[in-house]
Amino acid sequence: DAKTTQPPSMDCAEGRAANLPCNHSTISGNEYVYWYRQIHSQGPQYIIHGLKNNETNEMASLIITEDRKSSTLILPHATLRDTAVYYCIVRSPQSQNFVFGPGTRLSVLP
Amino acid sequence: EAQVTQNPRYLITVTGKKLTVTCSQNMNHEYMSWYRQDPGLGLRQIYYSMNVEVTDKGDVPEGYKVSRKEKRNFPLILESPSPNQTSLYFCASSLGPGSYEQYFGPGTRLTVT
Repeated sequence: DAKTTQPPSMDCAEGRAANLPCNHSTISGNEYVYWYRQIHSQGPQYIIHGLKNNETNEMASLIITEDRKSSTLILPHATLRDTAVYYCIVRSPQSQNFVFGPGTRLSVLP
Repeated sequence: EAQVTQNPRYLITVTGKKLTVTCSQNMNHEYMSWYRQDPGLGLRQIYYSMNVEVTDKGDVPEGYKVSRKEKRNFPLILESPSPNQTSLYFCASSLGPGSYEQYFGPGTRLTVT
């Protein structure tokens, strides 16, 4: 599975959009981009995933560049409850596991 | 409510005393796995199971055992715990290994002295 690079930490003002970047320049054609988050020391929680098209659900939007070498997770109106570590993961459907790197620690500030 | 449960949530034990951490899911998932999380190392997979009686090693299996006798349960066994197994452990389940969404349990914080 391709490796990902994320900034270690970011801040965002409450009510504003949080844009979390992820680089995955070695991604291959059958690999998806997944986003999970972990609030404090709880179990990670699935947010969204995509292959090449932009995706949106009730939690977030995922924007994938045309060359698929990077992506951005967008939380449109961040709240204090969105403070968490966000993990960007690239994997193929044949993989046996999810490889969680260090992620980005997002702090939503009042 | 669909969930993955783990017990105990917190455990302090001594070196060499066998212990079992239980994991149970109520979603009829075929795939289950165990992860450990350590500061600076992220989550690392210990073992996984594709179905009943089918288990395999993940990235860090040394010192651990698992079993999958029933679809809903996937216990993690530490036969002779050592201090380097002090960690936060998560059980996860999904419909299959390729599923996009893994459901994680609440975690078990283990301290081995």
